[in-house]
Amino acid sequence: GENVEQHPSTLSVQEGDSAVIKCTYSDSASNYFPWYKQELGKRPQLIIDIRSNVGEKKDQRIAVTLNKTAKHFSLHITETQPEDSAVYFCAASGGTYKYIFGTGTRLKVLA
Amino acid sequence: DAGVTQSPTHLIKTRGQHVTLRCSPISGHKSVSWYQQVLGQGPQFIFQYYEKEERGRGNFPDRFSARQFPNYSSELNVNALLLGDSALYLCASSLRSGALGVWEQYFGPGTRLTVT
Repeated sequence: GENVEQHPSTLSVQEGDSAVIKCTYSDSASNYFPWYKQELGKRPQLIIDIRSNVGEKKDQRIAVTLNKTAKHFSLHITETQPEDSAVYFCAASGGTYKYIFGTGTRLKVLA
Repeated sequence: DAGVTQSPTHLIKTRGQHVTLRCSPISGHKSVSWYQQVLGQGPQFIFQYYEKEERGRGNFPDRFSARQFPNYSSELNVNALLLGDSALYLCASSLRSGALGVWEQYFGPGTRLTVT
């Protein structure tokens, strides 16, 4: 069935370093890949997304890459800051309403 | 995303009871989806409603039901509550966009349900 695997489950980086979170999806019909940041007790917030007709997208310190052949997509955060600490979720959607979420990555940015 | 509202914010119920959760989407969005997020896990899809019709359902028992009203707000109902229903229930307001017709979803603050 549809599945999204996300790694790592936890990630600790020093402030200023880069962080990379990787996801793999199973449904080849997936064409939309959003990333959400969720702080403790709060809603998931869309931080960046990528569509299947694009290989890379960047927004300031955040970038996402997509490899459709390998069914991989990744989130890259550069120059990490303490306020980047949160749980990050990837998701995949096949042009329908239904999102399949990864299991989340707890990012800790150490000052 | 700030426009999606949910009520109540917190709720405590006992096993066997019934609960109704409410959601109002962003103005102009005609689709609402419901997700269950158990602590430590990613959100799991429950339902999507578009133009007042159910368009999709996840792997949840019939104790879960929902509806959408003419103003596009939505209710999620859960009957015969179990301890395992304790979770954060998220409503997502959706808009279809772009050449690929993807559904962009924006989440509300959620309702935290505790079943004792």
